[in-house]
Amino acid sequence: KAGVTQTPRYLIKTRGQQVTLSCSPISGHRSVSWYQQTPGQGLQFLFEYFSETQRNKGNFPGRFSGRQFSNSRSEMNVSTLELGDSALYLCASSLQPTNEKLFFGSGTQLSVL
Amino acid sequence: DQQVKQNSPSLSVQEGRISILNCDYTNSMFDYFLWYKKYPAEGPTFLISISSIKDKNEDGRFTVFLNKSAKHLSLHIVPSQPGDSAVYFCAANRDNAGNMLTFGGGTRLMVKP
Repeated sequence: KAGVTQTPRYLIKTRGQQVTLSCSPISGHRSVSWYQQTPGQGLQFLFEYFSETQRNKGNFPGRFSGRQFSNSRSEMNVSTLELGDSALYLCASSLQPTNEKLFFGSGTQLSVL
Repeated sequence: DQQVKQNSPSLSVQEGRISILNCDYTNSMFDYFLWYKKYPAEGPTFLISISSIKDKNEDGRFTVFLNKSAKHLSLHIVPSQPGDSAVYFCAANRDNAGNMLTFGGGTRLMVKP
């Protein structure tokens, strides 16, 4: 079974631009979560989707948004990029959004210059 | 405020000995705890979990202990192997909170041959 796939692997953007990151969950998994990892703040929850509905959202500004498609694939978007948005963005999937172990992708490393 | 803390940023252990990684939490609403291992350039990998109704859970070389009154959990790895060298994150969740995990800052474990 293929794991969680995130594209692209690396991204370089400049301040003010916007970016879209993609995540394909493990086949059959319907819950997708996004996390941001930075050296200063560690791993922080961004949002969680299940059956195309956002179930939970972390403490991030409205510039961070996401969506989930009917095939469970998910995208997250960051608009008006700031230097502090430079981070590793991790996507994780599980069968259900119920305290199950998450399977993480390798992440997208975003650098904002 | 950091609701989940791993106070030791790093730990060095000799191969074959026991590794003990510690984690403290402040939110008494947390009732499900997980440990993840992360290698560089990869996403976190689930190791073991424990529900608040238990005080111990074992899986092979890995055992997690939970002390609810002290709001403390620990991961024991016996015997430690060089391949265990990685960053270990503890995470906590509340019931009915989906997969909205709160992570600790991580502990880098180095197992010396």
